[in-house]
Amino acid sequence: EAQVTQNPRYLITVTGKKLTVTCSQNMNHEYMSWYRQDPGLGLRQIYYSMNVEVTDKGDVPEGYKVSRKEKRNFPLILESPSPNQTSLYFCASSFQRGWDTQYFGPGTRLTVL
Amino acid sequence: AQKVTQAQTEISVVEKEDVTLDCVYETRDTTYYLFWYKQPPSGELVFLIRRNSFDEQNEISGRYSWNFQKSTSSFNFTITASQVVDSAVYFCALSEASGNNRLAFGKGNQVVVIP
Repeated sequence: EAQVTQNPRYLITVTGKKLTVTCSQNMNHEYMSWYRQDPGLGLRQIYYSMNVEVTDKGDVPEGYKVSRKEKRNFPLILESPSPNQTSLYFCASSFQRGWDTQYFGPGTRLTVL
Repeated sequence: AQKVTQAQTEISVVEKEDVTLDCVYETRDTTYYLFWYKQPPSGELVFLIRRNSFDEQNEISGRYSWNFQKSTSSFNFTITASQVVDSAVYFCALSEASGNNRLAFGKGNQVVVIP
């Protein structure tokens, strides 16, 4: 089954404790992105990747890192999480840029205390 | 920069009524793509439709229909004969051909269908 998976689905952590949210897709997609969803703000892009080893900042990259060492995986790293990073995070992938539909993972609900 | 506005935050309708969700967008690109996604209470994002800027043909899919008007920069979504299962947040989004694969989302419309 074609899908985007994220782990963990739920995470409660404390300020400053490094964490990684994994994202994997099995559709051989070139493009992958991370978004965060906050009430009243919709979804905003954090980082995106056009291919292996090619990543760039989205609209709200501060406090996050990403890597793309394999085509299928695009982990999101929070080196020192803070409470303002409490959010619902989505990973997305698409085959092409722009016109192609982005398929989203199930979401990761992160709470930083 | 691209921008999407969904003015109505929460809309309540009685089952079997029709509901229309407005989406107004801004972009400088001549080539762009518009999307609608549904987010049910379970939280996942479900793709509903995609339209490119050169295709103004309206579309109907079951009880769902979309009205794309470039002249008013709008891409409105209508649910006909609403059902309780339609209760969800609906997002309109725009992607520019020249962009970084960024989907610019509106803030979403919370639709509540009352039985």
